[in-house]
Amino acid sequence: DGGITQSPKYLFRKEGQNVTLSCEQNLNHDAMYWYRQDPGQGLRLIYYSQIVNDFQKGDIAEGYSVSREKKESFPLTVTSAQKNPTAFYLCAGQGAGGYTFGSGTRLTVV
Amino acid sequence: AQKVTQAQTEISVVEKEDVTLDCVYETRDTTYYLFWYKQPPSGELVFLIRRNSFDEQNEISGRYSWNFQKSTSSFNFTITASQVVDSAVYFCALSVGSGGGADGLTFGKGTHLIIQP
Repeated sequence: DGGITQSPKYLFRKEGQNVTLSCEQNLNHDAMYWYRQDPGQGLRLIYYSQIVNDFQKGDIAEGYSVSREKKESFPLTVTSAQKNPTAFYLCAGQGAGGYTFGSGTRLTVV
Repeated sequence: AQKVTQAQTEISVVEKEDVTLDCVYETRDTTYYLFWYKQPPSGELVFLIRRNSFDEQNEISGRYSWNFQKSTSSFNFTITASQVVDSAVYFCALSVGSGGGADGLTFGKGTHLIIQP
């Protein structure tokens, strides 16, 4: 089945460590996105990529980094510079039919 | 810049009641798309509808209906004869530009809908 696959579902990180969230797609979407969701908040855009080897900052890019070396993959690294990394992270792709979201990764800093 | 406002933080109704979730948007673009998503407790976002700015026809899908009014910049969502399974957080979202907007979605903060049996 085509879709957006995020792993892992739950992730725990010690303060001061970098961590990478995986996002893979087999929908042949050119555009991919990372969103962050905090309790009681909507989703906020972290980074997006419209084509391989290119990406742009979203509204809350500080403390995060991404890469887009392959069309299928758009990993997000949460760096130690991110002050409040505990959140729910959603990856999405965009095609002709609209946006498709992964099932999310819940990151907790311990 | 774009903005989406969902003024209702939480709504609680008894099963079988009708309920309307409000969505007001702001954009200077003339071409844009509006979306509704459902987020159950498991967390994934379930796509419900996409509407482009040139199509103001209301839409009905089973118990769900949507009312798009450009004059008031609103895209409201009504559930008729609500059921417990409708309990979730519902997000309204906006993208601008033709082709669905490759710059991403702007989301409202969501409305938590609770359907009591």
